[in-house]
Amino acid sequence: GQQLNQSPQSMFIQEGEDVSMNCTSSSIFNTWLWYKQDPGEGPVLLIALYKAGELTSNGRLTAQFGITRKDSFLNISASIPSDVGIYFCAGQKMNRDDKIIFGKGTRLHILP
Amino acid sequence: EPEVTQTPSHQVTQMGQEVILRCVPISNHLYFYWYRQILGQKVEFLVSFYNNEISEKSEIFDDQFSVERPDGSNFTLKIRSTKLEDSAMYFCASSEVREGSFSKNIQYFGAGTRLSVL
Repeated sequence: GQQLNQSPQSMFIQEGEDVSMNCTSSSIFNTWLWYKQDPGEGPVLLIALYKAGELTSNGRLTAQFGITRKDSFLNISASIPSDVGIYFCAGQKMNRDDKIIFGKGTRLHILP
Repeated sequence: EPEVTQTPSHQVTQMGQEVILRCVPISNHLYFYWYRQILGQKVEFLVSFYNNEISEKSEIFDDQFSVERPDGSNFTLKIRSTKLEDSAMYFCASSEVREGSFSKNIQYFGAGTRLSVL
């Protein structure tokens, strides 16, 4: 089945540092998504990418849709305590069914 | 801001019992989905539903699972005879009807129902 390989699995950083995480796939997706999940909550969409090469920002978050359509990265600048959580990359084929395929997540820990 | 609501937030059941998980999608949305997340693992697609029928289902969604849109607002997931391995967070999601050839089919997720099978 379709798999997304997300790395790193977890990160420990100091508050104020920048963060980078990425996702690769063996197959092409037409949409790449980045979600954040807080404990006890559902995934919340951070950024959606629809075109190969697209670079999109949402506040301190920046994500890019790889040219090959098989990868994406998410950067967080100047991390703050509320950035703690699990970040999931996800892909969609953009056909009618549009099920979302999720990566395994990157757990972000911020040290004071 | 409109949101997907799920009830109950936590359901505890005995193995072999039937459970029904309930969802109220965003009101103008017509595509509905169920996903599950086993503790510590990734979110996995179960089923998509449109126009009162299943659009796609994964291999996880076997004969023990069913979905229904019993009225204009609710979307339910039923597990007929629960197994220990059904213990997970179950997320409902919904998205808008697409228009034109290019559609940003953003799925909005509920907070989930934690199902614990004992």
